[in-house]
Amino acid sequence: SAVISQKPSRDICQRGTSLTIQCQVDSQVTMMFWYRQQPGQSLTLIATANQGSEATYESGFVIDKFPISRPNLTFSTLTVSNMSPEDSSIYLCSPRGPDNEQFFGPGTRLTVL
Amino acid sequence: DAKTTQPPSMDCAEGRAANLPCNHSTISGNEYVYWYRQIHSQGPQYIIHGLKNNETNEMASLIITEDRKSSTLILPHATLRDTAVYYCIADFGNEKLTFGTGTRLTIIP
Repeated sequence: SAVISQKPSRDICQRGTSLTIQCQVDSQVTMMFWYRQQPGQSLTLIATANQGSEATYESGFVIDKFPISRPNLTFSTLTVSNMSPEDSSIYLCSPRGPDNEQFFGPGTRLTVL
Repeated sequence: DAKTTQPPSMDCAEGRAANLPCNHSTISGNEYVYWYRQIHSQGPQYIIHGLKNNETNEMASLIITEDRKSSTLILPHATLRDTAVYYCIADFGNEKLTFGTGTRLTIIP
């Protein structure tokens, strides 16, 4: 299985600020997904990020709020912009491997005050 | 993705086999069945996936009915560390995974 790291693992931020979450994978992957998990809820897909193309966002999520970068096949970032307390969640990156196995990072626990 | 239905919670005695059911009556012929689990405060962990045939790996077995409308994940000898939320997902294999609410499995000592 892929080894996935996320930075930071957790953060406490003030409303109105932005946070960039980094996701590093130990192997090259074509498809990278970003999910959000609000307290007590299941996972919700934010966007799909493929290297060399613009990210595709799910309904209810927009690029201005959650800009994503995918500079190469092992790395991606998700920025949570102009944060409000409603953005307090766990954010997870999820690369998909060549055998259609999809793995998940350990998550970034974000608290917005 | 086809809709999946799982019981909200289940208990299983430690050392016994845990059998987690999933209904996916609208699954299409080329959709896979994936199983993940999420232990508290961690990212989801991939368990197993299959298309038509039963599958087994070091973690679990996946039994898919012949009509593919349901499946069962089997943890052969449950331990306390298997306590988690288990998600069953039907997916085409090259698209996004959509998570439902899953089954909260509690292993009882």
